[in-house]
Amino acid sequence: EAQVTQNPRYLITVTGKKLTVTCSQNMNHEYMSWYRQDPGLGLRQIYYSMNVEVTDKGDVPEGYKVSRKEKRNFPLILESPSPNQTSLYFCASSESRDTFVVMDEQYFGPGTRLTVT
Amino acid sequence: QKEVEQNSGPLSVPEGAIASLNCTYSDRVSQSFFWYRQYSGKSPELIMSIYSNGDKEDGRFTAQLNKASQYVSLLIRDSQPSDSATYLCAGLYNFNKFYFGSGTKLNVKP
Repeated sequence: EAQVTQNPRYLITVTGKKLTVTCSQNMNHEYMSWYRQDPGLGLRQIYYSMNVEVTDKGDVPEGYKVSRKEKRNFPLILESPSPNQTSLYFCASSESRDTFVVMDEQYFGPGTRLTVT
Repeated sequence: QKEVEQNSGPLSVPEGAIASLNCTYSDRVSQSFFWYRQYSGKSPELIMSIYSNGDKEDGRFTAQLNKASQYVSLLIRDSQPSDSATYLCAGLYNFNKFYFGSGTKLNVKP
C-alpha cells in the first residue's frame, strides 16, 4: 500500500530536549515536505526537499532541521524544542515530473501531535 | 498579507445545495492551485488541482481559477453530509514551495 508514515504519532516532551520525528514514504517520490498546522493559521511549510541531499527552507524553518540522506526518509529534527513548537506536524511527499517542478498531488502522512512543556 | 487567504467559516449549506468555497492569493503564488479536504483529526487529501484559467470539473466538484482577479474557488454540487470537513486552498510558488490558506469549515446539514 502506497503511504507516508510518521513516527511517533503523539509526543509530549520538555523544553530543550532534542527530538526527531521520522517520515518515510514507499512511493519513490522525489519531493518531500514538512508542515505544521496550528488553529487559525492553516498548514505552514517548514522545510522541503526536491531530492536526496537537496533541502530548502519553507515559510517557518526557525528552530527546525531536516536531512535527506535517502530518498524514502525525511526526518524532522528539533534540536531544542520550545513551547511555541507545540503543534500538529504533517509530512508529505509528491512525485516530481521534473527536477524543479512539483505539480502532482502531495500525499500526507497521518500527522504527529507534539506538545512541548 | 498572507499569500493565500480563505474565509474560515463555518459555511453551512443544506443537503443537496451547492457549496461555494473561495480563496484569494497574492502575486507571489501564481502557478498551480490545489484544493484539499481535511476531516477532523485526519490528514489532508487532494480533491482537485487547477493550473489554467477557467473551470475544471470532476464529478460533483468544480474548481475555478481567475488569474486576473487572483482567486480560486471550489464548487460542490449536491452537497452531502459526508462533505462536511475543512477545505484547504493551496498555491504553489517557484514550482516547489506551497502556501496554504487557513481553511474553510463546511457544514452540510441533513
